[in-house]
Amino acid sequence: EDQVTQSPEALRLQEGESSSLNCSYTVSGLRGLFWYRQDPGKGPEFLFTLYSAGEEKEKERLKATLTKKESFLHITAPKPEDSATYLCAVQAGNYGQNFVFGPGTRLSVLP
Amino acid sequence: GAGVSQSPSNKVTEKGKDVELRCDPISGHTALYWYRQSLGQGLEFLIYFQGNSAPDKSGLPSDRFSAERTGGSVSTLTIQRTQQEDSAVYLCASSLGARPQHFGDGTRLSIL
Repeated sequence: EDQVTQSPEALRLQEGESSSLNCSYTVSGLRGLFWYRQDPGKGPEFLFTLYSAGEEKEKERLKATLTKKESFLHITAPKPEDSATYLCAVQAGNYGQNFVFGPGTRLSVLP
Repeated sequence: GAGVSQSPSNKVTEKGKDVELRCDPISGHTALYWYRQSLGQGLEFLIYFQGNSAPDKSGLPSDRFSAERTGGSVSTLTIQRTQQEDSAVYLCASSLGARPQHFGDGTRLSIL
């Protein structure tokens, strides 16, 4: 069964304190791994797609990396506005929707 | 706006009533998804529409749940004889083929 776990469940950082969020997955036939940001009361907002091990994507203070078993979302010098829940999802299988979402990491960045 | 639109944004109803939730996807997006998000939980897949193909209903939790997509655009998720465990945020997303999904802000459903 395809599974996605995320750690930590919650993370509190001081402004400027860099850290990483983890997404571990077990799937049959990874087609893509997706990172989303979700603010309270809002729908998830797409950040990155990664397709193969070794791939990296960057956007402002965020950098996503992918290995065969997990993905990391590195946050460099975070600001309070980076506070949100970060969701990881994998798309697996040969067809159809087959997206599996992780439970998310709640990030709080304190000024 | 050009994003995914969902209505109503909030819905409070009594146990046993039927509810309809609406999703207007991004124009031209061929794929449409419904998810359910309970407090502190990940997104739970409900149903997927792709073009004119038969929908993937494998995530619907019971036969009280149904969805349709008219004209390849607007979709309605219907929950019949609502139960308290149906309380959640119902999210709709659309995408162009296999590209990343774009989400609406959801309908917050509360069953009294």
